[in-house]
Amino acid sequence: ETGVTQSPTHLIKTRGQQVTLRCSSQSGHNTVSWYQQALGQGPQFIFQYYREEENGRGNFPPRFSGLQFPNYSSELNVNALELDDSALYLCASSLKGGSGNTIYFGEGSWLTVV
Amino acid sequence: GESVGLHLPTLSVQEGDNSIINCAYSNSASDYFIWYKQESGKGPQFIIDIRSNMDKRQGQRVTVLLNKTVKHLSLQIAATQPGDSAVYFCAERRVFGPGTRLSVLP
Repeated sequence: ETGVTQSPTHLIKTRGQQVTLRCSSQSGHNTVSWYQQALGQGPQFIFQYYREEENGRGNFPPRFSGLQFPNYSSELNVNALELDDSALYLCASSLKGGSGNTIYFGEGSWLTVV
Repeated sequence: GESVGLHLPTLSVQEGDNSIINCAYSNSASDYFIWYKQESGKGPQFIIDIRSNMDKRQGQRVTVLLNKTVKHLSLQIAATQPGDSAVYFCAERRVFGPGTRLSVLP
């Protein structure tokens, strides 16, 4: 158990729809990162939030957006879904500036776009 | 751009043997590397990390070696156990490699 929880665990959406994925970070962690992991590949960094502000972004279009709340939980929103958005979406929390910068991942949300 | 990759996509070892998983990186300015283990249906799990001012770091049954000259790092698992079967990723901060699947044979 990493203390990072994600919801929903699985969902199916239609191309063009919008989706919101949620993440509760480990207690005390102020930094949340989101990753996309396609089947058989390594996770790809989407963006990171630190104290409610975006603090780094990977090579993803603006239709991928996020929020971090005062309690450090987070949302990932994807608009205008495309078939290639089908993947496992992982949330990871850490304590920015903490020793070792250990990152704890949740078990992910499986998104299928049809 | 940056890339982090692995030499072998799959690795099969006998239970009790040592495992070595290799990883190459392209950015000579990379200064922090992490190894993760991902079991089926789970998120990646932090195993061990190493900073560029070190050549070697040891944990419980695991050792990471970093060779900055050839931009290569490896993860060594001693006395491999069935529970070690998983996909292993090396990462340079947020950039993950494609992964190596480790299968432990009885």
